[in-house]
Amino acid sequence: GAVVSQHPSWVICKSGTSVKIECRSLDFQATTMFWYRQFPKQSLMLMATSNEGSKATYEQGVEKDKFLINHASLTLSTLTVTSAHPEDSSFYICSARLAATDTQYFGPGTRLTVL
Amino acid sequence: QKEVEQNSGPLSVPEGAIASLNCTYSDRGSQSFFWYRQYSGKSPELIMSIYSNGDKEDGRFTAQLNKASQYVSLLIRDSQPSDSATYLCAVKSGGGADGLTFGKGTHLIIQP
Repeated sequence: GAVVSQHPSWVICKSGTSVKIECRSLDFQATTMFWYRQFPKQSLMLMATSNEGSKATYEQGVEKDKFLINHASLTLSTLTVTSAHPEDSSFYICSARLAATDTQYFGPGTRLTVL
Repeated sequence: QKEVEQNSGPLSVPEGAIASLNCTYSDRGSQSFFWYRQYSGKSPELIMSIYSNGDKEDGRFTAQLNKASQYVSLLIRDSQPSDSATYLCAVKSGGGADGLTFGKGTHLIIQP
């Protein structure tokens, strides 16, 4: 149980384009999902907290107009990187929190490369 | 600034021995503590969670928490080559914040 999927697993795009990443909880409902980013040899950094049916909460330094988050259902959250630039190239990982617990289960991640 | 500190390693342990991984955190109000394993190029996989002082055992893994010292550890008994990975310590603070703060991870190598 507690399986989280992400799509796509990798994407290469041109600078200036937008990329959408989907995160789904497959066998449980997640009122809260999280988006993290990991640069090479660095740890995971929380970008934003996504609550179903409400606006996401962004961490300090994360541009909400650049990283658009939508959490329209209890099993799906999306992250759209708008006007992507090479410095946005990173490993983006979502997680979903199991209800009534603090435990987060992570998706397999999406590796974004912006040319 | 909430911080989670880990020795980056690499920590090299012979197969069959006990691997000991350590983590300290700065936020005294932290409530929940997690150990994740991350293989290169993959996302983190939950190993254990611990919420109260003392030891918690799950198979070959034992997590230890000492809130007074702001210290969390993970012991891996009978280490196997497949345990070779980066181990991430993650902390959830109190005060309503839901996200986890991660350490940079300890790279563990189990030598056959």
